[in-house]
Amino acid sequence: KQEVTQIPAALSVPEGENLVLNCSFTDSAIYNLQWFRQDPGKGLTSLQSSQREQTSGRLNASLDKSSGRSTLYIAASQPGDSATYLCAAPNSGGYQKVTFGIGTKLQVIP
Amino acid sequence: DGGITQSPKYLFRKEGQNVTLSCEQNLNHDAMYWYRQDPGQGLRLIYYSQIVNDFQKGDIAEGYSVSREKKESFPLTVTSAQKNPTAFYLCASSIYGYSYNSPLHFGNGTRLTVT
Repeated sequence: KQEVTQIPAALSVPEGENLVLNCSFTDSAIYNLQWFRQDPGKGLTSLQSSQREQTSGRLNASLDKSSGRSTLYIAASQPGDSATYLCAAPNSGGYQKVTFGIGTKLQVIP
Repeated sequence: DGGITQSPKYLFRKEGQNVTLSCEQNLNHDAMYWYRQDPGQGLRLIYYSQIVNDFQKGDIAEGYSVSREKKESFPLTVTSAQKNPTAFYLCASSIYGYSYNSPLHFGNGTRLTVT
């Protein structure tokens, strides 16, 4: 069964910093991996879903299946980036059984 | 705009009562899912449905039931048999079920509190 780990669990940075959120998974036989943003009390908003798709001008996700890692880069962080970021890797067979990480709670301090 | 609508946003029930959470999508997606989110835990799959009139148990289906009579709708009933029903419930959909290239789309969730 797929296992997903996100490190760190929480991160607090000053505004403007470039930062990296990590997601590790055990079953590398996957096509892609999703990153989500979750604001408090809200649902999940997909950031991207492709193997090497740029999510926006400042957010960029990459996937390295050989090492079992995906990385979400956030450039020039802003207070509005404060949220919990979750990654989800599919189990074999697709998205009907997806394993989610617990998430990284990001706080960007003005 | 297409999306997934969950209602209500907040739900309060007494212990021993069944309660139904609504999930409607207008994305024309085949597959729909129910997840439960608890503090400090990853999302856990309750039930999923690939097509109308078909659904499968996820990892924590005990105490829950679903139906899929219409493509757009996938209601979840939390029964009195569910030992710890208080949680944040999230509904999701994807274009296809059996596809790696079929990302998940989520609703805004329903927070259920049972006392």
